[in-house]
Amino acid sequence: GAGVSQTPSNKVTEKGKYVELRCDPISGHTALYWYRQSLGQGPEFLIYFQGTGAADDSGLPNDRFFAVRPEGSVSTLKIQRTERGDSAVYLCASSYDSDTQYFGPGTRLTVL
Amino acid sequence: QQQVKQSPQSLIVQKGGISIINCAYENTAFDYFPWYQQFPGKGPALLIAIRPDVSEKKEGRFTISFNKSAKQFSLHIMDSQPGDSATYFCAATGGSNYKLTFGKGTLLTVNP
Repeated sequence: GAGVSQTPSNKVTEKGKYVELRCDPISGHTALYWYRQSLGQGPEFLIYFQGTGAADDSGLPNDRFFAVRPEGSVSTLKIQRTERGDSAVYLCASSYDSDTQYFGPGTRLTVL
Repeated sequence: QQQVKQSPQSLIVQKGGISIINCAYENTAFDYFPWYQQFPGKGPALLIAIRPDVSEKKEGRFTISFNKSAKQFSLHIMDSQPGDSATYFCAATGGSNYKLTFGKGTLLTVNP
């Protein structure tokens, strides 16, 4: 079946702009996660959804970052007033149980 | 505080050789330890995972060895192939800590 998909695959924006990154999880997966991966590093947790609600947003770096999952399926990560330090690959993962997380290909965000 | 330490940072192996990557963790609440394989431009893909109730798990050419008392686990790739060349990440999660904590990754190069 289809895996996790993320759009766009690449996003280039200017400092100060607003961006939205989309994640389509595997059908039937109730849990959805966002991670951020900087160059040469492992993914770092941002936020976790169980259904429609954000069960844990402790990894969001500041209040410029926000994510939603209004219908318990697709999720959008929103970044306001982007900064050059936000440049990274943003990964989405979904899971049916609490263990096995399946990752999408990521969105590479570049802030100029 | 880095909760999962991974070594080496990079590894070069000849075709047919054994690749060994090591990880150590600090959080005793961790009870699920997956390994992910990541190719350039792709998201991490689950390779193999283990729970601490067993000391070893083997799937094909890939084996995880787990030492609960030492809080260490390792990935062994037997008969390494050039197609195995990728970045490997160990990770851990457990209890109420559903979010994955990743190591920094090991860049494996298998020479033909």
